[in-house]
Amino acid sequence: DAKTTQPTSMDCAEGRAANLPCNHSTISGNEYVYWYRQIHSQGPQYIIHGLKNNETNEMASLIITEDRKSSTLILPHATLRDTAVYYCIVRLRGSSTDSWGKFQFGAGTQVVVTP
Amino acid sequence: SQTIHQWPATLVQPVGSPLSLECTVEGTSNPNLYWYRQAAGRGLQLLFYSVGIGQISSEVPQNLSASRPQDRQFILSSKKLLLSDSGFYLCAWSSGVAGNTIYFGEGSWLTVV
Repeated sequence: DAKTTQPTSMDCAEGRAANLPCNHSTISGNEYVYWYRQIHSQGPQYIIHGLKNNETNEMASLIITEDRKSSTLILPHATLRDTAVYYCIVRLRGSSTDSWGKFQFGAGTQVVVTP
Repeated sequence: SQTIHQWPATLVQPVGSPLSLECTVEGTSNPNLYWYRQAAGRGLQLLFYSVGIGQISSEVPQNLSASRPQDRQFILSSKKLLLSDSGFYLCAWSSGVAGNTIYFGEGSWLTVV
C-alpha cells in the first residue's frame, strides 16, 4: 500500500470549513483513498473513501487531484465535536481480508476546532 | 444498519489474571472480524482476524488468543496477563467483499497492574 503524508496538526475555527490535506504520491491506479478519524479514547470512525472521483457524504467531502497524488478532506462546517486525529490511508482495491492489518494508521493530523 | 459492540469498556486486572474481551456485530452475516491493539500515541497493530467461525489467524506471537464461537461473535482472551498487555483494544469488522471498508468498535481500555 502507498505511503501517505499528512501535517501533524492544524487548527480550525468553529463554523468554518476545515481542509485536511494528504499526499500519496506513490499511489497506484487501483488504490483507494480512505479517511478515518479518532476522537480521544474512542475507536476510529470511518468518514469517506474514493478512487478517482470526488466524493461527498453527510460527514465530509473528498477531493482527489486529477493525478491522484494528493487529496483533501473537507469538513464543511467544523464543530467542536470534530476535534480528533484524522487519518488518510490508501488501500489496494480488491485486497485480501488480512490487508486491513498490513498498513498502519500512522500519526495522522490532530485537528483542534476552537470556538 | 450494522453495529458493532465490544465490552467491557475499561478494566483493571492484576498481573497473572485471565482476560476476556467480547465483541459482537449485528445487522450483517459472515463478517470478517479483527482485534487490534493501539499503544498510547501510536497506530493500530492487528492482532487477530477471522473470516469465519472457528477460523482464526494471528498476526503476531503474543500472550493473547482469539476465538470465534459464533458467526458474529469474536472473543479476545488471555490465561495470564502481563504488564505489557496493557493498552487500548479495538474490535472491528468488514464485509467479505473485496475493496470493503472496515468499521471499529468503541474500544476497551485494559490496564494490567
